[in-house]
Amino acid sequence: SQTIHQWPATLVQPVGSPLSLECTVEGTSNPNLYWYRQAAGRGLQLLFYSVGIGQISSEVPQNLSASRPQDRQFILSSKKLLLSDSGFYLCAWSQAGGDYGYTFGSGTRLTVV
Amino acid sequence: GDSVTQMEGPVTLSEEAFLTINCTYTATGYPSLFWYVQYPGEGLQLLLKATKADDKGSNKGFEATYRKETTSFHLEKGSVQVSDSAVYFCALSGDNYGQNFVFGPGTRLSVLP
Repeated sequence: SQTIHQWPATLVQPVGSPLSLECTVEGTSNPNLYWYRQAAGRGLQLLFYSVGIGQISSEVPQNLSASRPQDRQFILSSKKLLLSDSGFYLCAWSQAGGDYGYTFGSGTRLTVV
Repeated sequence: GDSVTQMEGPVTLSEEAFLTINCTYTATGYPSLFWYVQYPGEGLQLLLKATKADDKGSNKGFEATYRKETTSFHLEKGSVQVSDSAVYFCALSGDNYGQNFVFGPGTRLSVLP
């Protein structure tokens, strides 16, 4: 069966520090991968998606970047965090073909102080 | 572009009350429709889905019927429990590549004993 792992679960980082969040998927190949952010009490904002190794599409301009070095690995990064980067970050995967929906990781709570 | 509208809540009900969370959508073509649930501090979980008109998705006592004529996918449950307290997201997948996934803003449900 397919599983998705996301870590760390919580993170407190000072302003100006770097960020690396990792997401891996098991049990499938060539998944579509996504990074979402959920600000406190608000909906989901799609940040990046990837349909293949090295292929990254950004949905909104921001202080973050994403990379996909391997088929089932998706990394969210920042060189210098801002206070506004605080939020709940969710990784998700889907098969090509929208009928299957998305499967989400358990999320990372990032607090920038 | 495609969009999803849902009541933002919060919705507060007593245990065993009937639940309806309205969801309407705008999309070209024939999207698949989904309901996701997010329990406190967790990622999103797929609750149910419907892939074509008149399909009924159901899971854990929740139901939603894909109504093409009214472009709606309302979530219902006959008797809610305290454990159903969560945020519920309506979503659609607008194409066959899983890249055009649109979420509603989420509806927070609180069930009181």
